[in-house]
Amino acid sequence: EPEVTQTPSHQVTQMGQEVILRCVPISNHLYFYWYRQILGQKVEFLVSFYNNEISEKSEIFDDQFSVERPDGSNFTLKIRSTKLEDSAMYFCASTGGPETQYFGPGTRLLVL
Amino acid sequence: AQSVTQLGSHVSVSEGALVLLRCNYSSSVPPYLFWYVQYPNQGLQLLLKYTSAATLVKGINGFEAEFKKSETSFHLTKPSAHMSDAAEYFCAVRRGWAGANSKLTFGKGITLSVRP
Repeated sequence: EPEVTQTPSHQVTQMGQEVILRCVPISNHLYFYWYRQILGQKVEFLVSFYNNEISEKSEIFDDQFSVERPDGSNFTLKIRSTKLEDSAMYFCASTGGPETQYFGPGTRLLVL
Repeated sequence: AQSVTQLGSHVSVSEGALVLLRCNYSSSVPPYLFWYVQYPNQGLQLLLKYTSAATLVKGINGFEAEFKKSETSFHLTKPSAHMSDAAEYFCAVRRGWAGANSKLTFGKGITLSVRP
């Protein structure tokens, strides 16, 4: 069964460093999302992406964040200058239709 | 705007007992509703969904949920808990009929423990 994959599974970085989280959505899907889950808190929407542009973004998704679909398979989330409060589990999701979003296993980011 | 309320953070049941996890939603437009499960150190797996068809929906692993518009609820049930059901459960809402490009709004999740 097709699935969303994410790399790396864990990332440790120093505050102020740039990180890139990578996702490979399900191959025939056209809509892509990033969510995050700070430890012990709810899953929060960050951004949605369609047709090579951002469709919607949350207040969390400030100028430090960017997304890109550099080729036909990858979907990336970049954090330019990480802060301690960026430590979280980041989930990528994709959908091909109006109903179900399929989630990847997540990348656990720890900013020291 | 949409929101989800999942009261309580932890539910504990005995193996074989009924599981009931509550979810109430708020939505300004007809909603689509989802339950996702997260096992330790894993991602979010879809359990079931309501998308304006039958109000009683059945999902994987014996779970089901009923959409009650009058109560703005979408509670998750399973007649008989199994040890393998121990996980965190998230209720989520999105705008129905909004096309694919519509974000999910999650509740804070409920941890289900199953006692032998």
